[in-house]
Amino acid sequence: DVQLLESGGGLVQPGGSLRLSCEASGFTFSNYAMSWVRQTPGKGLEWVSSILDDGRFNYGADSVKGRFAISRDNSKNTLYLQMSSLRAEDTAVYYCAKRAVIGLADYFDSWGQGTLVTVSS
Amino acid sequence: DIQMTQSPSSLSASVGDRVTITCRASQGIHNYLVWYQQKPGKVPNLLIYAASTLRSGVPSRFSGSGSGPEFTLTIASLQPEDVATYYCQHYHSAPPTFGQGTKVEIK
Repeated sequence: DVQLLESGGGLVQPGGSLRLSCEASGFTFSNYAMSWVRQTPGKGLEWVSSILDDGRFNYGADSVKGRFAISRDNSKNTLYLQMSSLRAEDTAVYYCAKRAVIGLADYFDSWGQGTLVTVSS
Repeated sequence: DIQMTQSPSSLSASVGDRVTITCRASQGIHNYLVWYQQKPGKVPNLLIYAASTLRSGVPSRFSGSGSGPEFTLTIASLQPEDVATYYCQHYHSAPPTFGQGTKVEIK
């Protein structure tokens, strides 16, 4: 079974930084693009960033460009999201999500349990 | 960015009722649309991809139809375990965007 286990969330002050990790198991991690998706009660689900299977190409939402960086270590089956210059509006549950197909279609068949990031002073 | 608009935002129906949720894209997306179900306190679960293809293991009472810009998710006979919020999402181009969700409750 596919398992995605996020960690690294917590309370951080505005302007601060945080690194999320997602440890994957149950599938060939290096074959699939991976993404981060966040959820807030007010804004619902919002795609944050994706990275292709080999890590050579990634892309992100305009709302996080220049502040968040997605990366992966295929030798450790782990996805990362380095978040900096955090704002109150970044407060959300952050999900690690596996792309459903090998290819370009950005939709997700497996989600982690989520990690809560709270940006507040 | 392509905007996805769902309607209604919530609905209440009786067990056995036919339920339909609509999702409209702000521009053409062919059939590059999925539906997720998110039960209370759980993570989203993929139900349908390519607008109308049922994911393996999903009950056959769920179906999807349509092609850009309007799509529907239908629950043929609502069951108590279908209480959830349903989201559409396009994957036509980056960024993939979600509808705001439709909360389905039992009357």
